[in-house]
Formats: sequence, structure tokens, C-alpha cells
Amino acid sequence: GQQLNQSPQSMFIQEGEDVSMNCTSSSIFNTWLWYKQEPGEGPVLLIALYKAGELTSNGRLTAQFGITRKDSFLNISASIPSDVGIYFCAGKRTPSGTYKYIFGTGTRLKVLA
Amino acid sequence: GAVVSQHPSRVICKSGTSVKIECRSLDFQATTMFWYRQFPKKSLMLMATSNEGSKATYEQGVEKDKFLINHASLTLSTLTVTSAHPEDSSFYICSAPNPGGLTDTQYFGPGTRLTVL
Repeated sequence: GQQLNQSPQSMFIQEGEDVSMNCTSSSIFNTWLWYKQEPGEGPVLLIALYKAGELTSNGRLTAQFGITRKDSFLNISASIPSDVGIYFCAGKRTPSGTYKYIFGTGTRLKVLA
Repeated sequence: GAVVSQHPSRVICKSGTSVKIECRSLDFQATTMFWYRQFPKKSLMLMATSNEGSKATYEQGVEKDKFLINHASLTLSTLTVTSAHPEDSSFYICSAPNPGGLTDTQYFGPGTRLTVL
């Protein structure tokens, strides 16, 4: 199945550091979403982006919808241990009047206290 | 906020048996639900879109007769893995679109871990 490319695949960072991850696609999306998933649970929505160039924050998280509509990035500032998890981007596609979401490959974040 | 539940959370079955997984929207109605499959340390792969009152829409490569989807009501979709085999072992997650808040948000269920022996 189709997936979006996310980078990095994984990262270890020190508590207090800022984190940046991005998501790229060869296709245009009209909506970008960022989720966090913890082990054994379903993903939880962090940020939703609806317009090219849009920059949105949610606490220490900031995400942007790329101008080309083919990419998005997520930044986490001043990371804390509870930021550990897998972060997924998702793009919304609307084929033939319906809609569906395509997920990125994921970025696994580990924070060292 | 909106809540989506799944049942069971874990199931172990013998090869050849069928397993039914339920996805319920607890405080809102969902005419559409999505079913995903996730392998360990991998991303979510969309399997099918469940539509209330009509047939499910399956993604390319997903066997319709293997993964039966029934959207029985506005709050319930079921996924039945028929004649399960060990390669069907996976984490199955459903989601439902947000009923009235921000556009394009989805609420995910907690997932069902299927192990086929």
C-alpha cells in the first residue's frame, strides 16, 4: 500500500532539546495531520493542517503545511521524557468523491533524561 | 472528545478459525469508518473504508473475502478475519471521522492485537 516518506526513522535526543521531523510525498494532499502513537494504543491526533503554508502550534508542538502541498514538518520544542513514542504524518486524499488518509512511515522518538 | 472503542483488545485463535473485531463510536454517529492494519514497528496501512448502508471499499491488494466488513449501524462496524492464518497476526485499528469539530480529524480506536497460532 501507499505510504508517505518520513524522516528521520528514529532519533535519540536529550531532554530539553528541540526535535524536528518531516514528511514528504510525490503527490499533493489537501490536508496534513500529525499523530502520536504509544505502544499498544491507537494514534492520537496532535495537529491538523488545512492550507498550504499554514503554520499551527499546539503547546510545544509546531507543524507546517508545505507550500507545494507535498510536504509537512513537525517540531517539538524542549522535549520531555513523555514525548517518547512514534510520530506519524497522514495526508488526506479524496479519490472519486470519497476520502481516505495515507500514513507516513513513522518517526520513533526516544528522549534521554 | 469523541471516543471510539474496539473489542476485543487482544485475541488469540487457532489457524483456520474466524475472528470478529468490533469498532464502535461511543458518543457520535459514524457513516464512515476506516480499518487499518499495523505490523510491529511499522506504519498504519489502510485496508478498507466501511460505509454504513453500502458495501465497504477495499484497498488494492486486500482480499474482500478474507477480511469481511459490515457496517451494521451508525455506531458499529465489524471486521471479520475469515479462516485466519499466522500471517494474519497483526494489530488492527479502526478510526472514525470527527462528528462535528474541526474538519478532517479522525478518532482512532485503541486497536486489537490478533495472534493466530
